Amino acid sequence: GEDVEQSLFLSVREGDSSVINCTYTDSSSTYLYWYKQEPGAGLQLLTYIFSNMDMKQDQRLTVLLNKKDKHLSLRIADTQTGDSAIYFCAERKAYQLIWGAGTKLIIKP
Amino acid sequence: DAGVIQSPRHEVTEMGQEVTLRCKPISGHNSLFWYRQTMMRGLELLIYFNNNVPIDDSGMPEDRFSAKMPNASFSTLKIQPSEPRDSAVYFCASSSGTSGSSYEQYFGPGTRLTVT
Repeated sequence: GEDVEQSLFLSVREGDSSVINCTYTDSSSTYLYWYKQEPGAGLQLLTYIFSNMDMKQDQRLTVLLNKKDKHLSLRIADTQTGDSAIYFCAERKAYQLIWGAGTKLIIKP
Repeated sequence: DAGVIQSPRHEVTEMGQEVTLRCKPISGHNSLFWYRQTMMRGLELLIYFNNNVPIDDSGMPEDRFSAKMPNASFSTLKIQPSEPRDSAVYFCASSSGTSGSSYEQYFGPGTRLTVT
């Protein structure tokens, strides 16, 4: 398909791990990205992964890439209330980024 | 670096009026993008500039929308005349599109436009 797909919502308890999933369209995409958008703010780049990598870790964030299945995931360890936001995945296609619709992460106390 | 700067942050205008949104990209970035975000349609790319030249404006909704980039540090998005359906958050983003870079885009805080 043409769309980058994400679930619209994910609800987790504070302190648990959050795993946000994304399927993308083009197995030849060189870069894949995760962005975070807090209410009333712009999109903030969280991390990106190059297609020759399977995993990238940055503090509480872990990105996993399965090129065969065109599946990307973002794991947030020890989820905090400040992680409440919409998370967008995107794939690079020529000069453009092709965006998912975003997953709203809801934190339960 | 101050990041991508957009102005105004909020704009309320009446239908039929001209609206001009402004963007200053990150210094040294050679690619600039204008996006529109709505609940219904999500994030839409309106236009892309590379080295101040419009490369792809296929996302511009109609002739009421126009964008310019007179130099590397300034771009405008103009809507004339504005309509209520133009109400949205408009984002500007910039990127260093040089060979070997990871092409990540950096977003401004957005302009929330309300057309009554």
